[in-house]
Amino acid sequence: DAGVIQSPRHEVTEMGQEVTLRCKPISGHDYLFWYRQTMMRGLELLIYFNNNVPIDDSGMPEDRFSAKMPNASFSTLKIQPSEPRDSAVYFCASSPLLSRDYGYTFGSGTRLTVV
Amino acid sequence: GQQVMQIPQYQHVQEGEDFTTYCNSSTTLSNIQWYKQRPGGHPVFLIQLVKSGEVKKQKRLTFQFGEAKKNSSLHITATQTTDVGTYFCAEENTGFQKLVFGTGTRLLVSP
Repeated sequence: DAGVIQSPRHEVTEMGQEVTLRCKPISGHDYLFWYRQTMMRGLELLIYFNNNVPIDDSGMPEDRFSAKMPNASFSTLKIQPSEPRDSAVYFCASSPLLSRDYGYTFGSGTRLTVV
Repeated sequence: GQQVMQIPQYQHVQEGEDFTTYCNSSTTLSNIQWYKQRPGGHPVFLIQLVKSGEVKKQKRLTFQFGEAKKNSSLHITATQTTDVGTYFCAEENTGFQKLVFGTGTRLLVSP
């Protein structure tokens, strides 16, 4: 398996623009997670899905952020409109039903810079 | 958001010295996981601890879960430059399939 695949790797956009981050989880993993990492706040869980259904979105910062998982092999995280404070590395991770033996598998991340 | 506290935040050691990072939670944990993130990289799963007082070893790394299941530690014996990175603990509360990551300990090893 190629692991969790995220695109793009880097994104630079102007304030006010819409940004869409993409993730392809590992086939067969039931759970998909979106995390954001910054120096100030560390690794924050934004939202997670179980079998394509959003379970907990309490970490989503505000209404400008939205996430979807239309099928088991694809998820998007959208920011509209983007703001400079959204600059961070966004990670997608997936895990099987029981993560105990293998933990979460993270993608390489998308480094977002909003100018 | 909710975070698990880790100490120290940062440690710089000479190659060959030992290193320990501690993870503390205010609640009883069903399990705890440890991850390593190399500079510029992504978190990589190291291990999971489930049982009270559990100790697991991976070569030079020793992981321990507290008796009360509220704290954990990672000890590296005789550090090497390849150990450089940030080490995170991540807690999973009972009944929830989601991990909350600790604040992390950044380790720098000088040759």
